[in-house]
Amino acid sequence: GAGVSQSPSNKVTEKGKDVELRCDPISGHTALYWYRQRLGQGLEFLIYFQGNSAPDKSGLPSDRFSAERTGGSVSTLTIQRTQQEDSAVYLCASSPLDTQYFGPGTRLTVL
Amino acid sequence: GQNIDQPTEMTATEGAIVQINCTYQTSGFNGLFWYQQHAGEAPTFLSYNVLDGLEEKGRFSSFLSRSKGYSYLLLKELQMKDSASYLCAVTLRGSSNTGKLIFGQGTTLQVKP
Repeated sequence: GAGVSQSPSNKVTEKGKDVELRCDPISGHTALYWYRQRLGQGLEFLIYFQGNSAPDKSGLPSDRFSAERTGGSVSTLTIQRTQQEDSAVYLCASSPLDTQYFGPGTRLTVL
Repeated sequence: GQNIDQPTEMTATEGAIVQINCTYQTSGFNGLFWYQQHAGEAPTFLSYNVLDGLEEKGRFSSFLSRSKGYSYLLLKELQMKDSASYLCAVTLRGSSNTGKLIFGQGTTLQVKP
């Protein structure tokens, strides 16, 4: 069946611009996670959604980062006033229970 | 704080066996995942250990010792396609812990002919 999909696959932007990254989770998965992976680094947790509960935003690095999940399905991660240190691969994962299934990621480059 | 350690790089020969270690110091450990990540691709699930012991799945096995804060991933009969990064990740107990994964830096394995 269809896995987690993310768009765009690549995004190049200029410093100071806003970007939106999209995640389509696996149908029926109630939990959705966003992670960031800088070059040569491990994955860094950003935010978690579960059903109608308030999201866990404890991993968001600054108030320039926000995310929403509409209708318990699609999620968008928004980065405002992008900085060069925001350059990374942004990975989305969804989960029915324990195991998280990852999307291919969006590679963000801030010039 | 939470700390997860893995070797940065390993090299092994096709057909051989390799063991990738992971040690962790966390508060409220629940379980440990291993993921495989090929360059430029998404991590893919390999194993999940909650209880002590060895779990075998084909050529891959994963071991956990909760008392020692230690896990390893064992890859047998190595193939060239096993060249990838192997990510160790921990989940924590407690109502405030939402199942988010805390990752180590990953171990890049190079399999040589």
